[in-house]
Amino acid sequence: DTGVSQNPRHKITKRGQNVTFRCDPISEHNRLYWYRQTLGQGPEFLTYFQNEAQLEKSRLLSDRFSAERPKGSFSTLEIQRTEQGDSAMYLCASSLASGGPTNEKLFFGSGTQLSVL
Amino acid sequence: AQSVSQHNHHVILSEAASLELGCNYSYGGTVNLFWYVQYPGQHLQLLLKYFSGDPLVKGIKGFEAEFIKSKFSFNLRKPSVQWSDTAEYFCAVNDHSWGKLQFGAGTQVVVTP
Repeated sequence: DTGVSQNPRHKITKRGQNVTFRCDPISEHNRLYWYRQTLGQGPEFLTYFQNEAQLEKSRLLSDRFSAERPKGSFSTLEIQRTEQGDSAMYLCASSLASGGPTNEKLFFGSGTQLSVL
Repeated sequence: AQSVSQHNHHVILSEAASLELGCNYSYGGTVNLFWYVQYPGQHLQLLLKYFSGDPLVKGIKGFEAEFIKSKFSFNLRKPSVQWSDTAEYFCAVNDHSWGKLQFGAGTQVVVTP
């Protein structure tokens, strides 16, 4: 499968624990996005990377959240001291930004469903 | 700030019926517009997009959408739906300058046999 891969698919954790999700983008895609989706809502932007540089973070991304893309390939999203309100589907998307921004299309992974008990 | 509004949260219709899903956006600048679909248990997939040019855009699986700039709308249509079109549909917009998407809340479409 050459699409965007996310692991794990499901994560159940107790409040206060730390969790880490991984995203493997489509090979050679230089941009990587993290989104969060709660029930009945569309995906909400969290942060994005151009290669290894994190270029924007949403106000939704509190200081308990940290994302990295150390070598410009896969990315991790860590949530420290999880809260029940963190329960959501965390989506990763990648794109190849070339030839101008109007050509950019995002390809999404299947997401990691986080449940905080 | 950008916002995207989808008019219907749930739509139920029979096979062969016509489908139209409304989408309005709020943004003062030049935008790109998208419709994504999420079939049960699958990831978000791009149905169609509008960047510029002909405001009537044709996508995959017989879907089309019309960009009406004066109404800030980008409605999705399909003349005759199939059971396999049961899915959640998301309208999205991004600024012309880069790829970050702003999504609507989604419309759950159920097609009955």
